[in-house]
Amino acid sequence: KAGVTQTPRYLIKTRGQQVTLSCSPISGHRSVSWYQQTPGQGLQFLFEYFSETQRNKGNFPGRFSGRQFSNSRSEMNVSTLELGDSALYLCASSLDRVRETQYFGPGTRLLVL
Amino acid sequence: DAKTTQPTSMDCAEGRAANLPCNHSTISGNEYVYWYRQIHSQGPQYIIHGLKNNETNEMASLIITEDRKSSTLILPHATLRDTAVYYCIAPDSNYQLIWGAGTKLIIKP
Repeated sequence: KAGVTQTPRYLIKTRGQQVTLSCSPISGHRSVSWYQQTPGQGLQFLFEYFSETQRNKGNFPGRFSGRQFSNSRSEMNVSTLELGDSALYLCASSLDRVRETQYFGPGTRLLVL
Repeated sequence: DAKTTQPTSMDCAEGRAANLPCNHSTISGNEYVYWYRQIHSQGPQYIIHGLKNNETNEMASLIITEDRKSSTLILPHATLRDTAVYYCIAPDSNYQLIWGAGTKLIIKP
């Protein structure tokens, strides 16, 4: 079974731009969660989608948004990028409820200049 | 806030057992404890989880104290490839995993 895939793996943007990251969960998994990881803050939960609906949301500004498609693939978007948005963005999928074991993708490393 | 506390870093000799402790005195009776590890710049990797009984899989063993206030992850024969940050995690009331800083485990040859 293929693991969680994320595209692109690396991205460089400038302040004020927007970015869209993509995540394909493990086949059959319906829950997708997104995390931001920075050296100073560690892994922080952004949001979780299940069956195309946002089920939980972390404490991030509205510039961070996401969606999930009927095939469970998910995208997250960050608008009006700031320097502090530079981070590793991780996607994790689980079979059904988020309390099931989560399987992570390799992440997208975003650098904002 | 994370519900778990772990030492910041630990060393272990290659070939020996690595024992990583975790305190989770505030978790409720029906909350699982999960262990993940993250090798530099990769996505976290699931290791094991447990509720009250000890658990073992091909990667590690998890020993949970009877009062469930702490647990220990055991890597029976550590190799250099086990060098990573190890996270002990419990979910919050929305079942989200709250990640702390983890333990940086360094395996020395």
